[in-house]
Amino acid sequence: DPKIIQKPKYLVAVTGSEKILICEQYLGHNAMYWYRQSAKKPLEFMFSYSYQKLMDNQTASSRFQPQSSKKNHLDLQITALKPDDSATYFCASSPGTSNTEVFFGKGTRLTVV
Amino acid sequence: QQQVRQSPQSLTVWEGETAILNCSYENSAFDYFPWYQQFPGEGPALLIAIRSVSDKKEDGRFTIFFNKREKKLSLHITDSQPGDSATYFCAASRNTNKVVFGTGTRLQVLP
Repeated sequence: DPKIIQKPKYLVAVTGSEKILICEQYLGHNAMYWYRQSAKKPLEFMFSYSYQKLMDNQTASSRFQPQSSKKNHLDLQITALKPDDSATYFCASSPGTSNTEVFFGKGTRLTVV
Repeated sequence: QQQVRQSPQSLTVWEGETAILNCSYENSAFDYFPWYQQFPGEGPALLIAIRSVSDKKEDGRFTIFFNKREKKLSLHITDSQPGDSATYFCAASRNTNKVVFGTGTRLQVLP
């Protein structure tokens, strides 16, 4: 059974629209993250949360907003979508926030047309 | 600026051979170096990791060799199997889980 559930698996969106990527983890971890993987760039850190608080934000654009309603949830809201946002977005989690194993979900593949 | 570099971009070996994947990094403050394995359609999964205080880490057929002075490391996969065919990412972090990934090496093991 997958312990990090991402929904949906595939998502097609129109330029300018808004989408929410869902992530839940059932590993009992305190830290959660979002990473992005595209054809143009390697896996890229976006955000980290610990106990539902933002720890680090490496995303320049405010169009990307993480939302944490529960400790084991970290959704990603993306507004004013652009074709360049097309990528696979991975949710991840870890027991702690310092040099521990980071577990990744299967990803949401977003295509913006 | 790519902080973690990997070579080769792709590698093909025969079953039973040793695959050697190379990695170098720029930030001397990095102290934790995980290697991730990713199959198509899946997320990366931790394969093996080394801390900067060590120069070698072994786990079954997988071994990391680490050279802190040269800021280089390599992953050796001995007795390669077709099931090892995947993309391997070298990564690095400094006292956080903000992991910086390399561009990956796509390994193909031919039977």
